[in-house]
Amino acid sequence: GAVVSQHPSWVICKSGTSVKIECRSLDFQATTMFWYRQFPKQSLMLMATSNEGSKATYEQGVEKDKFLINHASLTLSTLTVTSAHPEDSSFYICSAPSDSSTDTQYFGPGTRLTVL
Amino acid sequence: GQNIDQPTEMTATEGAIVQINCTYQTSGFNGLFWYQQHAGEAPTFLSYNVLDGLEEKGRFSSFLSRSKGYSYLLLKELQMKDSASYLCAVRSGAGGSYIPTFGRGTSLIVHP
Repeated sequence: GAVVSQHPSWVICKSGTSVKIECRSLDFQATTMFWYRQFPKQSLMLMATSNEGSKATYEQGVEKDKFLINHASLTLSTLTVTSAHPEDSSFYICSAPSDSSTDTQYFGPGTRLTVL
Repeated sequence: GQNIDQPTEMTATEGAIVQINCTYQTSGFNGLFWYQQHAGEAPTFLSYNVLDGLEEKGRFSSFLSRSKGYSYLLLKELQMKDSASYLCAVRSGAGGSYIPTFGRGTSLIVHP
């Protein structure tokens, strides 16, 4: 089946630094990828939709200048958390939609971000 | 928006059957998904319902009633490895979006 990878799987950084998270589709092309954030014992919250070759679409309440998304190729989307603060500590998950009739999503393994 | 409600936590015994319920309120319903998520891992797809009725897939079955805004996930012959969070996600066709909205998840604890 289709595989989506993320790198890094976990990262610890100091407050004020920027962190880049990569999301790759390994055996298929993804013109669209989704970025989610999940706090402990909470639901997956969609942050933005990444579109290859065009600007990302952000959900209401998500700061586009803080969470920079780049989808430069059909297999790679990146999320950069700029000037990270402790409240940005969370589990970040990317996904890519399948091309099946159910339109389910293939999720990456997630990235655990801890900001000190 | 969408309101999705599922129990926070459930416990069951190995070998037993458990039913996890999900109720939702949405306009333009366009499919309901169940995902399994182990701690610290990404969700994995379990089932998809768009028409009323029961979908069976091995030990897991999912039921949908669109008129009642209700679904359940049925797990049979429970195994210890089934201890995980189970996420109900509803897709709405409103605004042309095909991205589902996730519930908070039900944490299932299977004990010997």
